Amino acid sequence: GAGVSQSPRYKVAKRGQDVALRCDPISGHVSLFWYQQALGQGPEFLTYFQNEAQLDKSGLPSDRFFAERPEGSVSTLKIQRTQQEDSAVYLCASSRRSGHEYFGPGTRLTVT
Amino acid sequence: AQSVTQPDIHITVSEGASLELRCNYSYGATPYLFWYVQSPGQGLQLLLKYFSGDTLVQGIKGFEAEFKRSQSSFNLRKPSVHWSDAAEYFCAVVSSSNTGKLIFGQGTTLQVKP
Repeated sequence: GAGVSQSPRYKVAKRGQDVALRCDPISGHVSLFWYQQALGQGPEFLTYFQNEAQLDKSGLPSDRFFAERPEGSVSTLKIQRTQQEDSAVYLCASSRRSGHEYFGPGTRLTVT
Repeated sequence: AQSVTQPDIHITVSEGASLELRCNYSYGATPYLFWYVQSPGQGLQLLLKYFSGDTLVQGIKGFEAEFKRSQSSFNLRKPSVHWSDAAEYFCAVVSSSNTGKLIFGQGTTLQVKP
């Protein structure tokens, strides 16, 4: 079946622009995660949704980062006024239960 | 606080040789442990995981890992490496069993020599 999909796969933004990254989880998956992976590093947790409820946003690095999942399915990660340090791969993962996460291919964001 | 350490940033092995990638974790309770592989431009693929029970875990692509509580380790092994195994490998621990939130190590890059 279909896995987790993310779009766009690549995004180039000028510093100061706003961007929106989309994640389509596997159908029926209750849990959804966003991770940020800087170059040469392991992924770092950003935020977690259970259905439409954002239960943990402790990893969001600043108030420029905002995530939503209004209908408990598709999620969007928005970054306002992008900065160069926001350049990274943004990974989305979904699961039906803890410990069984499936990752998408990621969106590579480059801020110039 | 929970953490994962992968001491080797880069490893090079010859094709056909055996492989061991090290992972040490810091976690107060019984950990849920994972190994993922990431090829260039790709997402993370789960190789194997340990929740409980037998401490030697078999995964896909001929990989296995052994959980050693006394050493706080979960090392990944493969008896004979193939050129297609060249990739980035990440060890991870679940930091919250309620949510499945993962903490990752910084990764080990595996290069395979012909």
